[in-house]
Amino acid sequence: RKEVEQDPGPFNVPEGATVAFNCTYSNSASQSFFWYRQDCRKEPKLLMSVYSSGNEDGRFTAQLNRASQYISLLIRDSKLSDSATYLCVVGPNQAGTALIFGKGTTLSVSS
Amino acid sequence: GAGVSQSPRYKVAKRGQDVALRCDPISGHVSLFWYQQALGQGPEFLTYFQNEAQLDKSGLPSDRFFAERPEGSVSTLKIQRTQQEDSAVYLCASSAPIGGTYEQYFGPGTRLTVT
Repeated sequence: RKEVEQDPGPFNVPEGATVAFNCTYSNSASQSFFWYRQDCRKEPKLLMSVYSSGNEDGRFTAQLNRASQYISLLIRDSKLSDSATYLCVVGPNQAGTALIFGKGTTLSVSS
Repeated sequence: GAGVSQSPRYKVAKRGQDVALRCDPISGHVSLFWYQQALGQGPEFLTYFQNEAQLDKSGLPSDRFFAERPEGSVSTLKIQRTQQEDSAVYLCASSAPIGGTYEQYFGPGTRLTVT
């Protein structure tokens, strides 16, 4: 079983739509959680960290459920520029150790 | 300030050739990571340095892969006797503890194609 699992999509949505991505992780000792965004042929870039209390950054909301080992990302009012691959990322329980990436979920927003 | 830089950006190698990929981390970042990203996959961990010490090399796929960071800044990932399955994007990331979050910042990657 892969350590971080995501629905690969693609998700094809019109501008203005709300879209949700889900992710599960297998290591219950994981301590840090992130969503990264990766544009085609570019490097991954941190979109947001995910906290147990949930956190919001503009149109983006991330949630973490430690009991279910489940992470989500909600994008409201989708823009064309949101088209990218969204990577669910889990950090192990020690500082400075490797991140574990999901395969990514591809989002395509159309006008 | 300057981000993580990698060179070359693209490398085509014939099967059996040796290649060397370079990473310049963000100045002052003590942690440096190498990842391999195959087409359609997320990045997968290869190896980790803290300053000049290679603390984890559990992700290196074979003994043909070797990484070093002799002075604790620039790092080189070397692949000997390249095989077609080595074709991938090799990403370097660096991090420094900021408020305990240990976010990693990625370079643009080196796209290696083995023919």
